[in-house]
Amino acid sequence: EAGVAQSPRYKIIEKRQSVAFWCNPISGHATLYWYQQILGQGPKLLIQFQNNGVVDDSQLPKDRFSAERLKGVDSTLKIQPAKLEDSAVYLCASSLSEGGYEQYFGPGTRLTVT
Amino acid sequence: DQQVKQNSPSLSVQEGRISILNCDYTNSMFDYFLWYKKYPAEGPTFLISISSIKDKNEDGRFTVFLNKSAKHLSLHIVPSQPGDSAVYFCAARPSRDGGTSYGKLTFGQGTILTVHP
Repeated sequence: EAGVAQSPRYKIIEKRQSVAFWCNPISGHATLYWYQQILGQGPKLLIQFQNNGVVDDSQLPKDRFSAERLKGVDSTLKIQPAKLEDSAVYLCASSLSEGGYEQYFGPGTRLTVT
Repeated sequence: DQQVKQNSPSLSVQEGRISILNCDYTNSMFDYFLWYKKYPAEGPTFLISISSIKDKNEDGRFTVFLNKSAKHLSLHIVPSQPGDSAVYFCAARPSRDGGTSYGKLTFGQGTILTVHP
């Protein structure tokens, strides 16, 4: 069974630039999550999708972050414009259902904003 | 507001000995707890979990204990092996009527475990 795929693995941009991350969840998983993990901290949920609908985006900085999951499969997370404090690893995870106690994580995208 | 806390940033253990990783939580609406393990440059992988209706769950060398009254859980690894060296995250999920999305996991800061040969 293929795992959660993410790209790119690494990205370096200057502040005020824009960046996009892509995630392809495990086939058949209805729930998709985007997490932000700042160095030395645990992952923090940014947004949760159930199929192509948003379940929770309470911690997504909506003035600069956006995410979509068209067709209920893969997803993109965008930051525009980026700030220095956005430097982090962005993790995508998926689970079979919203109950989701076993979430499967991708390898993450390490973003550095200079 | 850190609802899930892992107060030990790191732990060093000799191979063959027991590793004990601790986690405290504050939100009484959490009813399911998980431990994830993370190697460098990889995403976290699920290790073991426990429901709030239990006080112990065992899976091979890994055992998780839950003390609801103290809002404390711990992960025991015995015997510890060098391959167990990784970052361990404790996570918690609210109940269905917990006032937030059911699948939302809240993670602790992580504990770096180093097992020396």
